Formats: sequence, C-alpha cells, structure tokens
Amino acid sequence: DAKTTQPNSMESNEEEPVHLPCNHSTISGTDYIHWYRQLPSQGPEYVIHGLTSNVNNRMASLAIAEDRKSSTLILHRATLRDAAVYYCIPLEGNNNDMRFGAGTRLTVKP
Amino acid sequence: NAGVTQTPKFQVLKTGQSMTLQCAQDMNHEYMSWYRQDPGMGLRLIHYSVGAGITDQGEVPNGYNVSRSTTEDFPLRLLSAAPSQTSVYFCASSREGVGDTQYFGPGTRLTVL
Repeated sequence: DAKTTQPNSMESNEEEPVHLPCNHSTISGTDYIHWYRQLPSQGPEYVIHGLTSNVNNRMASLAIAEDRKSSTLILHRATLRDAAVYYCIPLEGNNNDMRFGAGTRLTVKP
Repeated sequence: NAGVTQTPKFQVLKTGQSMTLQCAQDMNHEYMSWYRQDPGMGLRLIHYSVGAGITDQGEVPNGYNVSRSTTEDFPLRLLSAAPSQTSVYFCASSREGVGDTQYFGPGTRLTVL
C-alpha cells in the first residue's frame, strides 16, 4: 500500500478557498486517489476520487500532480460545515482493504 | 432509502461479555465492511465481505467474528470483550468493492470496562 503524508491540521476562513495537500510518493500506477472526510461525531463520507487527470464534482476539485506523487483537494469556498478531518487514501483497483491514515483536521473560522 | 444503519448507538460491556453489533443496508450493495476508530486516530479495517457467504480479514481482525448470510446484513461479533476493544465502530457498504463510493453508518460507541 502507498504511504501518505498529510498535514495534521489546517485552518481556513469561511468563504475562502482551501487547498489540502497529500503526498503519496510510493503510489503505484494503478492506484486511484480517494478522499473522504469525517465531520464531528459522524461516519466518513466520500468526497472525490481520481486516477491521473484533475476531477471536479459538486463538493470539491482534485488536482493530481503529473508524476502522481502528490495531490491536492480543493474546496472552492469553505463553509463552517466543511470543518472535518480529511483523509487521502491511495487505493489499488482490485484491493478491498482501504487504509485510513490520521488525515488533516480542517478548522473553518467565521 | 435508510442507507446504512447500525445498532446500538451506545453500548457498555464488562470484560469477558459477548455481544453483536448490527449493521444493515438497503442499497443492495455487495461490499460491506467494519472499521474501528480509536480516539484521535483514523479508521482501521476489521473485516470485510464482497458478497453473501464471503468474508475476509482486514488490518485488525483479532477478537472479532463476522458472517454474511444475506446481502443486507453484516453483523460483527465480539466473543469475549476486552478493554482494548473500547472504540467507535463504523460499518460501511459500497456497490461492488471498496473502490466504489463507500457509505458509512453513524457508528456504535462501545465501552468495555
């Protein structure tokens, strides 16, 4: 499994963009990069995932470096509801064992 | 759809007691899994199932049993609870495998005295 490195914590102001980085230098060519987040006292929820090119959905954007050794989750306008722990998870296509690390705790200030 | 449901929400056990944590999903998902989350840490996979009748071990399976007799249900059994099993337990499901979007339940907070 690819090892990931994420900042322990980050802060953002409400309505400003947030860039959450993740290093996964040992990622293999077939590993998708998944992002989940966990709001306080809740189970994790899916945010976005991608393989090589940048991805967008209604929640966020995912920018993947050309060498795939890092990626960045982008929240375009942070809201108070976005305060959560964000997990970056490289996952091989036929692997059924998803490993969560410690993630990044995002604090959003009003 | 109710999504993924877990019961109970809270449970206190004494060391050595047994119990079953219930997990059910109504989305006809093939893949289901159990995670535990200790304070301040990420989730760790206990067991998973890729379909009815098929289960496999995850990262931390010791002390836990599972079975999958139906697509909908995936109970987690603690045969002899230990204080080290004090944790929050999350059940998840996805359409075919862990690479599909996983839907998590609200969790069961278990304390073993």
